[in-house]
Amino acid sequence: DVQLLESGGALVQPGGSLRLSCGASGFTFSSFEMNWVRQAPGKGLEWLSYISSDSSTIYYADSVKGRFTVSRDNAKNSLYLQMSNLRVEDTAVYSCARGTIMRLWGQGTLVTVSS
Amino acid sequence: DIQMTQSPSSLSASVGDKITITCRASQDISSYLAWYQQKPGKVPELLIYAASTLQSGVPSRFSGSGSGTDFTLTISSLQPEDFATYYCHKYNSSPRTFGQGTKVEIK
Repeated sequence: DVQLLESGGALVQPGGSLRLSCGASGFTFSSFEMNWVRQAPGKGLEWLSYISSDSSTIYYADSVKGRFTVSRDNAKNSLYLQMSNLRVEDTAVYSCARGTIMRLWGQGTLVTVSS
Repeated sequence: DIQMTQSPSSLSASVGDKITITCRASQDISSYLAWYQQKPGKVPELLIYAASTLQSGVPSRFSGSGSGTDFTLTISSLQPEDFATYYCHKYNSSPRTFGQGTKVEIK
């Protein structure tokens, strides 16, 4: 099956760090651009980051620039989001999505930032 | 940065109604606009891309129009399964912003 599966979500204290992973299967991961998108409880979708298929182009939303780092390992069919200096307002479900036009989404992983 | 303003934030409608949701960009984004539908507890699903191209498998009652700064999503005859939240999304440049969402509820 063609799918994306996120992992790594957890409860973390403010100021802490966390690394999310997104595993891809059923398609040629190395051919696709990828994104991270989050959704806080009861809120709308927020685009966070984009990475090109060869990692040569990376973009971030201002809300996470300097705190979050996106990367990928095409050999492992995996996308990552390293999050540091986490804030209470980073609490959300984090999803990876395939393509500039996001036709394929993972189910998401919950990150809770709380003391 | 280009801002995306979606309206209304919510609307109530009946089955069979025609509804229109608007998305306005603060600068010209050509036709680099997509529309997504999200139902509670589910992942977003792509409806429209390139402002007016229907994604494969999406019912023809959904249509999109516009270019530049003003875009619309129209549902010609609302069905029970269409009650959901709809988001516009610009994808031409960073930041690849979503609109705030429009929740379509049953009247």
